Amino acid sequence: DAGVIQSPRHEVTEMGQEVTLRCKPISGHDYLFWYRQTMMRGLELLIYFNNNVPIDDSGMPEDRFSAKMPNASFSTLKIQPSEPRDSAVYFCASSPGTGGYTEAFFGQGTRLTVV
Amino acid sequence: AQSVTQPDIHITVSEGASLELRCNYSYGATPYLFWYVQSPGQGLQLLLKYFSGDTLVQGIKGFEAEFKRSQSSFNLRKPSVHWSDAAEYFCAVGNFGNEKLTFGTGTRLTIIP
Repeated sequence: DAGVIQSPRHEVTEMGQEVTLRCKPISGHDYLFWYRQTMMRGLELLIYFNNNVPIDDSGMPEDRFSAKMPNASFSTLKIQPSEPRDSAVYFCASSPGTGGYTEAFFGQGTRLTVV
Repeated sequence: AQSVTQPDIHITVSEGASLELRCNYSYGATPYLFWYVQSPGQGLQLLLKYFSGDTLVQGIKGFEAEFKRSQSSFNLRKPSVHWSDAAEYFCAVGNFGNEKLTFGTGTRLTIIP
């Protein structure tokens, strides 16, 4: 398997524009996570899915953020409208199972810059 | 609520020297503990994990960590670092039945010749 695949790797957009980040988890993994990494706040869990169903979105900062997982092989994180403070590296991760016995496999991240 | 503290923001070590990165956690029950490494421009890679059993855990790249319940610590060690170990290291805590991992703020490791 190629691992968790995120696209794009880099995104530069203007304030107010819509941004869509994409993630393809590892095949067979039941859990998918979206994290945000900034210098100020470190790694924050935004939302995670189990079998395509959102389980916990308490980390989503505002209504401007939304995430979907229409099928087991694809997820999106959308920011609309984007703001400069959304600039960060966004990571997608997937894991095979439950109970904490398994590790999360991370993608390489999308570096978002909002100007 | 679970939390993780990595008290050292930045550590510099000479190549060949030993390394210890500190991690303290807060959680009421037995935690699941992880160490991840992040190279520049890359995602996080799991180094090792502790769930139960032997408190000394061996990981990849020659790393090990020891779970000490009495000190609420899970420090990462390596007897002799290599220049390729320069990266950011994250400690994380999880718990049974909840897939959420809480990460520490990370420790940046610099290796000098």
